[in-house]
Amino acid sequence: AQSVAQPEDQVNVAEGNPLTVKCTYSVSGNPYLFWYVQYPNRGLQFLLKYITGDNLVKGSYGFEAEFNKSQTSFHLKKPSALVSDSALYFCAVRSSGAGSYQLTFGKGTKLSVIP
Amino acid sequence: NAGVTQTPKFRVLKTGQSMTLLCAQDMNHEYMYWYRQDPGMGLRLIHYSVGEGTTAKGEVPDGYNVSRLKKQNFLLGLESAAPSQTSVYFCASSDRDRGRSTEAFFGQGTRLTVV
Repeated sequence: AQSVAQPEDQVNVAEGNPLTVKCTYSVSGNPYLFWYVQYPNRGLQFLLKYITGDNLVKGSYGFEAEFNKSQTSFHLKKPSALVSDSALYFCAVRSSGAGSYQLTFGKGTKLSVIP
Repeated sequence: NAGVTQTPKFRVLKTGQSMTLLCAQDMNHEYMYWYRQDPGMGLRLIHYSVGEGTTAKGEVPDGYNVSRLKKQNFLLGLESAAPSQTSVYFCASSDRDRGRSTEAFFGQGTRLTVV
């Protein structure tokens, strides 16, 4: 069965500092990997995805993520955090295998950017 | 652009009552999903559909039924609500894979309380 681990329930970072939100995954075959963000009382918004190719993926609002196959990780990063980045972040995985439709999410990491 | 619309947004049920949550998408997506979100648990897949007339069980299907009679609609039913079904429910849809996986688009959620 596929799974996603987000080892940190909460990450605190000062405004202007770089941020990292960690994600590791387990899946059969090659992965499709996604990051989503959720603001209070809202649905999830797509940030970025890794399908194939370049291991460094750039997404919305200045976020990027690095795919590391040997470490089965897909950490979310941003060079300079903004207070408005404070939200709940979810990592998700799907198998690229034929007939694989289930998208599995991690438990989420709450990011707090301190002014 | 409506995207994914969930109805209703809030509902309070008594134990044993039944209800149906409606999800409608206007993006002509093939795949649709129902998730529940609980504190500390992330998003867990209840049921999903890969096309009109087809449904499949996800991670936590017990106590729920679904139907996809029309491509744009995905209904989630609770036949006899239980307090353990108190949660926030999210519907999502995504386009059919054409060699590259596509991201899922989420509705705004339905907050259900069973008393």
